[in-house]
Amino acid sequence: AQKITQTQPGMFVQEKEAVTLDCTYDTSDQSYGLFWYKQPSSGEMIFLIYQGSYDEQNATEGRYSLNFQKARKSANLVISASQLGDSAMYFCAMSRWEETSGSRLTFGEGTQLTVNP
Amino acid sequence: DSGVTQTPKHLITATGQRVTLRCSPRSGDLSVYWYQQSLDQGLQFLIQYYNGEERAKGNILERFSAQQFPDLHSELNLSSLELGDSALYFCASSVGANSPLHFGNGTRLTVT
Repeated sequence: AQKITQTQPGMFVQEKEAVTLDCTYDTSDQSYGLFWYKQPSSGEMIFLIYQGSYDEQNATEGRYSLNFQKARKSANLVISASQLGDSAMYFCAMSRWEETSGSRLTFGEGTQLTVNP
Repeated sequence: DSGVTQTPKHLITATGQRVTLRCSPRSGDLSVYWYQQSLDQGLQFLIQYYNGEERAKGNILERFSAQQFPDLHSELNLSSLELGDSALYFCASSVGANSPLHFGNGTRLTVT
């Protein structure tokens, strides 16, 4: 079974600073995917970034980067130059590696990020 | 905008009733997933369909059922509703292998 652990229920950061949201995972699979999603107070789930277990380079999407350390089974999200609009709940998730149909995600409990002006 | 459309946005109903939640996936996506988000359970996977066929089942109650139609839209049917079924229900879709799930805006169900 797959398990995602997010140990920070809440995080605070000053506007324009960088912040790291922690995520560790547990799986016996050799192949898997790691994802981060953002959920603002309005409720929608927004896909941010993806990392495959065989990807050697850390994924980057704009101000988001995923610090992937396979041996430590961690997939931390780094947000650079925080903005007020980054205040939201952030979920780490993982999937099994599927050949065709795609795979459901297992989510962590989330980290509530607050960006202070 | 994720491209996944869910209707209705809000639903208020009474215990014992039955409701249907509807989802249209992104164009080209063959997989549809249903998730339930509640305060005490977090995000729970319910069921996945791929190209019309059930592919995976999670913590879905027997009172709940789903299907995916030939045009790939999906419906989640919730019956004999209980107060504890009040939650945000998400539909998501993906194009296939190792691709991210794109979520709709959810249907907020309130059972009174």
